[in-house]
Amino acid sequence: DVKVTQSSRYLVKRTGEKVFLECVQDMDHENMFWYRQDPGLGLRLIYFSYDVKMKEKGDIPEGYSVSREKKERFSLILESASTNQTSMYLCASNPGWNSPLHFGNGTRLTVT
Amino acid sequence: DAKTTQPPSMDCAEGRAANLPCNHSTISGNEYVYWYRQIHSQGPQYIIHGLKNNETNEMASLIITEDRKSSTLILPHATLRDTAVYYCIVRTQGGSEKLVFGKGTKLTVNP
Repeated sequence: DVKVTQSSRYLVKRTGEKVFLECVQDMDHENMFWYRQDPGLGLRLIYFSYDVKMKEKGDIPEGYSVSREKKERFSLILESASTNQTSMYLCASNPGWNSPLHFGNGTRLTVT
Repeated sequence: DAKTTQPPSMDCAEGRAANLPCNHSTISGNEYVYWYRQIHSQGPQYIIHGLKNNETNEMASLIITEDRKSSTLILPHATLRDTAVYYCIVRTQGGSEKLVFGKGTKLTVNP
């Protein structure tokens, strides 16, 4: 089975801190994604990557950046965390377009 | 905005079939119907997808109407572990991965 692993299940950070959320997949998938999930808003795409060192903005990239130095790892960076970035962050991957997404179990980030 | 409409909640007795409806009246000819579910505190899990023909796998069956404006996900023998939020999504073949998840249907399987 595909495994998408997010490094932390729960994270508490202070406003202004730089935050790194890490995601690793073990199935050599080409594409990786970062979503955030908020009550009443569903899942929203932040960034995605279709190859090493390649990235594309999703619907809500403001305040975030990403890094994909190796195929299996996709990092989400909050340059200066703010309280409105308190959310559930979900990483996903798939082997190519039109393939089902495989999600990690999420990181619940609280910014105080 | 989500291109699908689902009832907010449904109940089902354990061991019975759960039939979850989804309306996608504006679906285009090249758009697939995907179903995912999300169990509390976990990431979404892929269930099944289809274009126009009915599909079945080890988890569920997907019935798509002939006009493709609606579909039904069928869990043939629901168990308590099937309690989750079920999302119906339309997805363009070859399109971006900007999947739009609506609010889904909260399915509660009762003992």
